[in-house]
Amino acid sequence: GAVVSQHPSWVICKSGTSVKIECRSLDFQATTMFWYRQFPKQSLMLMATSNEGSKATYEQGVEKDKFLINHASLTLSTLTVTSAHPEDSSFYICSARDLLVAGTYNEQFFGPGTRLTVL
Amino acid sequence: GQSLEQPSEVTAVEGAIVQINCTYQTSGFYGLSWYQQHDGGAPTFLSYNALDGLEETGRFSSFLSRSDSYGYLLLQELQMKDSASYFCAVRDREFVNTGFQKLVFGTGTRLLVSP
Repeated sequence: GAVVSQHPSWVICKSGTSVKIECRSLDFQATTMFWYRQFPKQSLMLMATSNEGSKATYEQGVEKDKFLINHASLTLSTLTVTSAHPEDSSFYICSARDLLVAGTYNEQFFGPGTRLTVL
Repeated sequence: GQSLEQPSEVTAVEGAIVQINCTYQTSGFYGLSWYQQHDGGAPTFLSYNALDGLEETGRFSSFLSRSDSYGYLLLQELQMKDSASYFCAVRDREFVNTGFQKLVFGTGTRLLVSP
């Protein structure tokens, strides 16, 4: 089955530093990957849609200069939280869709998430 | 605006049947999905309804009524491992040829299964 990995699984950083999170589709190609943020006991909120070889599409209210997204290949997307602050502490989850089964009921496959804590 | 409303918490005992409702109001609609998420884990896909009616997948079934903007997830023969959060999600934009879609998630329902 389709597997999405994320690295790191958790990270603690000091306020003001930048943190990079990687999302990889391990056994399929994903032209499009998605980045979500989830605060404790809350729902998943889509932050941006990452397209291979082009600029990401950000949801309203998400600062694109703060959350830098790069989709360098069909299997890798990265999210960099720049100048992180305590309010950025959250669970960041990526997901991807296997285009070979696009159009079927096959939904997005989610990575295991990265828990970011900013001190 | 867009909203998907779910009960915040549901409790049940092992072996019971539980129904988790979802009412939605979104700008577009291309199907209703259900996801399960254990604490600290990734959401995992459970079920999808594009058309009205009932979809059955093992112990889980999902129902959709597009005219009522309503769906539910039915869990039968509950097990302790079913204790998790359950999210409905509407696909409100869809471009099949590019793979682009937008999933809008519901507020989530925490299911607690007791012995």
